Amino acid sequence: EAGVTQFPSHSVIEKGQTVTLRCDPISGHDNLYWYRRVMGKEIKFLLHFVKESKQDESGMPNNRFLAERTGGTYSTLKVQPAELEDSGVYFCASSRGLAGGEDTQYFGPGTRLTVL
Amino acid sequence: GDSVTQMEGPVTLSEEAFLTINCTYTATGYPSLFWYVQYPGEGLQLLLKATKADDKGSNKGFEATYRKETTSFHLEKGSVQVSDSAVYFCALSDLYSGAGSYQLTFGKGTKLSVIP
Repeated sequence: EAGVTQFPSHSVIEKGQTVTLRCDPISGHDNLYWYRRVMGKEIKFLLHFVKESKQDESGMPNNRFLAERTGGTYSTLKVQPAELEDSGVYFCASSRGLAGGEDTQYFGPGTRLTVL
Repeated sequence: GDSVTQMEGPVTLSEEAFLTINCTYTATGYPSLFWYVQYPGEGLQLLLKATKADDKGSNKGFEATYRKETTSFHLEKGSVQVSDSAVYFCALSDLYSGAGSYQLTFGKGTKLSVIP
């Protein structure tokens, strides 16, 4: 089965511009997560979708970030306007949502965002 | 809140050396514990996991045991190979952290370099 895919793999933009990242989860995975790793820091959770609904968006840093998952398939993460501190690697992960701690998240290769 | 602490890198070992990467955690409930690996130029891959105390996860010669009494999940391998060179991340998911989500909390990652 195809894995989680992310597009683009690398994006370089100027401060104040808008960027949209895309994630295609593994087919049949209802759960979709976004994470971010800023240089030298831990990978941090941003938000979690179950199908098209936002289950948990407690990790979103501010209102410049907007995530959508229309139709419960692929997801987009828009940053508008981008700031220097938004630079980092954005990971997407998907899972089946198994109960009892058995759930496993499968990660995409990430999108490296550089804001100049 | 939940947190994961893992040993700082980088770690450089000779081929066939013994590897230990320490990982300790704090969690509200009864988390599941994971080790993810990121090979150069690739995304995160699940290496192994354990869902309850005293469970041992294993894969590709790597092992880690869920120690509730010491809140630890140290990664070990008896004989490393050059192909094991990668960044290793310890992580937990804790449904009872209050967010109602299986979001992963990560350590900072440990870069391992194995030299011939």
